[in-house]
Amino acid sequence: QPVLTQSSSASASVGSSVKLTCTLSGGHTTYSIGWHQQQPGKAPRYLMKLEGSGIYNKGSGIPDRFSGSSSGADRYLTISNLQSEDEADYYCETWDSDTRVFGGGTKLTVL
Amino acid sequence: QLQLQESGPGLVKPSETLSLTCAVSGGSFSSSTYYWAWIRQPPGKGLEWIGSISYSGSTYYDPSLKSRVTISVDTSKNQFSLKLTSVTAADSAVYYCAGHIGWHSPFDPWGHGTLVTVSS
Repeated sequence: QPVLTQSSSASASVGSSVKLTCTLSGGHTTYSIGWHQQQPGKAPRYLMKLEGSGIYNKGSGIPDRFSGSSSGADRYLTISNLQSEDEADYYCETWDSDTRVFGGGTKLTVL
Repeated sequence: QLQLQESGPGLVKPSETLSLTCAVSGGSFSSSTYYWAWIRQPPGKGLEWIGSISYSGSTYYDPSLKSRVTISVDTSKNQFSLKLTSVTAADSAVYYCAGHIGWHSPFDPWGHGTLVTVSS
């Protein structure tokens, strides 16, 4: 089954941009993924589906500041014009024929 | 817009069975394209997929939990359920229900989550 690898933490300043990475394991590098945001004390929230081609489809109400891109086995979530409310854990998710997996999550700190 | 709400006991004794229900409202629970899922998050840790069920009742479980998990759907009540047997302290977590449109789509929407503690 696929394995998703994420950096444990990232930080950036208010008003700047940050690019989070989710890396797919070998043999699964063409897979699509989903990105989810989990603000402190809240349930996860779906952000977008991101394909290996780089095409992404965002969930309802997700600001334009959130975008996705892909390169090889890497799937990226870019947040522009960072706001304090973007401080959260970010998880990627993917699926195989009969299983689903999450990455370990990246804790984003907004300075 | 679909909304999901988990319910069930917040405290379960070791070796007993954890039972949770997820009520679905605001949309077409009967849609044949939807899958319904359970996900958990131990305190301070990441998300773990437990399993999913299709509208027709086909089930998919995480291999590490497969021997202890049953997910079922009750279309007459617009809800689906989770049973996890022989629980230990390691099963203490916030349990989320979620939906996904077709197998090849991310979880959306998510429920609010419910904390289950395993303790005597």
